Amino acid sequence: EAGVTQSPRYAVLQEGQAVSFWCDPISGHDTLYWYQQPRDQGPQLLVYFRDEAVIDNSQLPSDRFSAVRPKGTNSTLKIQSAKQGDTATYLCASSLWYEQYFGPGTRLTVL
Amino acid sequence: GDSVTQTEGLVTLTEGLPVMLNCTYQTIYSNPFLFWYVQHLNESPRLLLKSFTDNKRTEHQGFHATLHKSSSSFHLQKSSAQLSDSALYYCALEGTGSKLSFGKGAKLTVSP
Repeated sequence: EAGVTQSPRYAVLQEGQAVSFWCDPISGHDTLYWYQQPRDQGPQLLVYFRDEAVIDNSQLPSDRFSAVRPKGTNSTLKIQSAKQGDTATYLCASSLWYEQYFGPGTRLTVL
Repeated sequence: GDSVTQTEGLVTLTEGLPVMLNCTYQTIYSNPFLFWYVQHLNESPRLLLKSFTDNKRTEHQGFHATLHKSSSSFHLQKSSAQLSDSALYYCALEGTGSKLSFGKGAKLTVSP
C-alpha cells in the first residue's frame, strides 16, 4: 500500500513569494491533515478535512494561508506571501479511523 | 481544549538502561485515543504505540505503555535502551474533534 506522498520535498523562497504544497493521501482515507512543524518543535495542526469539507481551520493564518481538497482526495496548501516565520516542515497526514499516517513533509525555508 | 504534557527537551541515556518518558493529558472527551509517535532525524513522525483501552498494556518494538484514565496518563517505557532508539518522541491525544494534540516532544539520545 502506498503511503502519503508530498511534493515538493524542499522549497526555498524570498519573503513575499508564494508557494504551494501538494499532498496525496493513502487511498481510501477520508480525513486529511496539514501540520506545521517548526524546527525542534512538535507538529501543530493547521487544518483538516473530512472528504472535501473543512472540519477545522482555526489555526490556519487565513490572511496568507489557504488549503483545499476539492474532490476529497488530493490536497493543496498555499502560502500567499511567505514570511521568515513560516520556515518549517509542512506535514500532511491522512487517516481512516484514529490512526494518522504522515507523509515525508516539505521543508520550507523563507529567506 | 485538549492538551498533552510530556517529558520534554533532551533525555540522555546509556545503552542498556531503561527508558521512561512521561505523558499526561487533559480532555473532556471520555474515550480519548492516546498515541506515542517517534520521529527519527530527517524523517516524518511514525506511530509507535496507540491505545484507547483503560488499564491495558500495549506493546510494540520493545516499547510499552498503559493508558490510565484515572490519572490521565500514558507513559512510555522500555526495559533496555538501544542506540537505534535515539529519536524524537511525541505523546499525542485524539480527543474532541478527531484531531491530534501533540506534546512538545522529547529528544532521546542513547549513548554507548
